[in-house]
Amino acid sequence: GESVGLHLPTLSVQEGDNSIINCAYSNSASDYFIWYKQESGKGPQFIIDIRSNMDKRQGQRVTVLLNKTVKHLSLQIAATQPGDSAVYFCAETAGNNRKLIWGLGTSLAVNP
Amino acid sequence: DTAVSQTPKYLVTQMGNDKSIKCEQNLGHDTMYWYKQDSKKFLKIMFSYNNKELIINETVPNRFSPKSPDKAHLNLHINSLELGDSAVYFCASSPSAGNTIYFGEGSWLTVV
Repeated sequence: GESVGLHLPTLSVQEGDNSIINCAYSNSASDYFIWYKQESGKGPQFIIDIRSNMDKRQGQRVTVLLNKTVKHLSLQIAATQPGDSAVYFCAETAGNNRKLIWGLGTSLAVNP
Repeated sequence: DTAVSQTPKYLVTQMGNDKSIKCEQNLGHDTMYWYKQDSKKFLKIMFSYNNKELIINETVPNRFSPKSPDKAHLNLHINSLELGDSAVYFCASSPSAGNTIYFGEGSWLTVV
């Protein structure tokens, strides 16, 4: 399934399916992007990052895609598992002060 | 070993009281942060310190005062607590500003 970010939607997927979480970032000068996962009752945890000189980066079961033309970032989770249930945040940074700008998050619910 | 630790994890207090949340990181990072997360999961930066120097001070009431005795510690003191201060407060650190941020587990503050 897919979702569009910057408001807090809920994406519901079946266990084993692939998930795609989308994020529309705000600043065309942003050059570093990060995805975080926040499980219930815990702090956000780093998942994967990507710099603006790349358009794709892969991790373990996760892939981040960056489309600078339309200022769009996505997180793909392969073979989604119940442990992937969480709120996912994208964040971007740019400029000399390197302040992170956070998206509003997407809640991912995995149905067994 | 916990990389970013904050105490207390839960805090219930009455309006008008003064309270502090303590934070320590053992990662050797130069930059530390305080974030506030509301009930809709929106993450808002409050303060950022780099090597004990304040570098980000977002628009927060001056009842909130951060203190960094050394670069491994960043405490948050809140005076005259109000109902609207109820939220989850996250401490975090990063090697330097704009790099990957590592979060603590959060402090759940409830003002009654």
